[in-house]
Formats: sequence, C-alpha cells, structure tokens
Amino acid sequence: EIVMTQSPATLSVSPGERATLSCRASQSVSSNLAWYQQKPGQAPRLLIYGASTRATGIPARFSGSGSGTEFTLTISSLQSEDFAVYYCQQYNEWLRTFGQGTKVEIK
Amino acid sequence: EVQLVESGGGLVQPGGSLRLSCAASGFTFSNYWMTWVRQAPGKGLEWVANIKTDGSEKYYVDSVTGRFTISRDNAKMSLFLQMNSLRAEDTAVYYCARDRWAYGSSGYYYCGLDVWGQGTTVTVSS
Repeated sequence: EIVMTQSPATLSVSPGERATLSCRASQSVSSNLAWYQQKPGQAPRLLIYGASTRATGIPARFSGSGSGTEFTLTISSLQSEDFAVYYCQQYNEWLRTFGQGTKVEIK
Repeated sequence: EVQLVESGGGLVQPGGSLRLSCAASGFTFSNYWMTWVRQAPGKGLEWVANIKTDGSEKYYVDSVTGRFTISRDNAKMSLFLQMNSLRAEDTAVYYCARDRWAYGSSGYYYCGLDVWGQGTTVTVSS
C-alpha cells in the first residue's frame, strides 16, 4: 500500500494570501495524483488530476505540481470559499489511497 | 443533471449486514467505473472499492476484503455495496463516486473521481 502524507495538518492563511499544501508518497506514483476539496457537511470535489491538470470548472487560482513522490497544491490568492480541507490521492495502484488531509483555515 | 444518490445506511449491530445503493442519473452509467469512498466521523477519506464498467474487475482495500462486495446493475443504473460482518471501525459516511477516464494520444488516462453523491451514514454499534 502506498502511504500518502500531507503537510501541514492545518494551515492558517489570510484571505488574499497564497497557500501551499504538500503531499508526499511513500513510493513513486509518477503523475498519478489527484487533489480534492471538502467543505463541512459536503462531499469532496475534484480539483486536480494528473498532478497538474485542473478539473472542469476549477478556477485558475488552483494549481498543482510535482511528480514521483513530492507534490504541491497551490492556491494563489485565497478566497473565502477556499477555506476547507484538501486531500491528495494517488491512483498509481489499484489500491488508491488518500492523504490524511490539510485543513486550510482563516488566519 | 449528473447525479448520484446513495441510500441504505443506518444503525446495525457488530457482526451484522447492510446493503448500500447508489442511484445514478444524467449520464451513461454503463460507461463508467464506479467507486465507494468512506469517511469515519471526524476523519479523512478512505478509498473502499471500485468496479469496472461491466463488473468484471473489482478492487478492495485490505480492511474490507472478504467482508464487502461491490456490484452494479447497469440496466438499473445502480451501484451497490454489500457489507457483511460489520465492525465498529466500519462506522462512516459512505460516498459513491464516478471514476472519470479520458482517451488521449497515449491511450486511456485516469482523471479522478469527478462526481460524488451526498453520502449515506453507516453506524455499527450495539
């Protein structure tokens, strides 16, 4: 099983600032990585797949980068609706695994 | 409108069984792999199982292998999760989600879980 580790667990950011979230895989997953956003009481929403491709309807302020074992999700200028929990997920193997999540909260 | 609606959750005793359903609408269900993901109270997401378009391939997380069975009925546009020998640690919100694949110059490539249901709650407790 590939273990996904996200950091930090919580990120405190002011509106308008940049947020940088990290995700590390226990072994290479190539570019087979997705990012999801989840708000309280809601289902997750797909943001990024292929490590860097934005899903349909996702604003350009969301960007993903990385390959192999190190990945980053960047939110260039945080809007009020962006405060949420973010999960990375690898799909390099049939046993897909999620990271434990990073909560982005208002500073 | 593309939609997934889960049902079948509830309270069940340890060792009991439950069958979850996920009704799809607004897209050609038989063309998509489908997935179950769960989330324990206050915890993160856990991928549980997925199933190929025609049901011929199924994959499970180790913790549910031998206890849970994923299946589908394409004619009824429905996905199922039969859960047996339930344990307290199976308590969670269960989401069904659609796997999106696309075709490019190098063949098929995966594009994530692009449609999710609202979830159904399973509580395993005596």
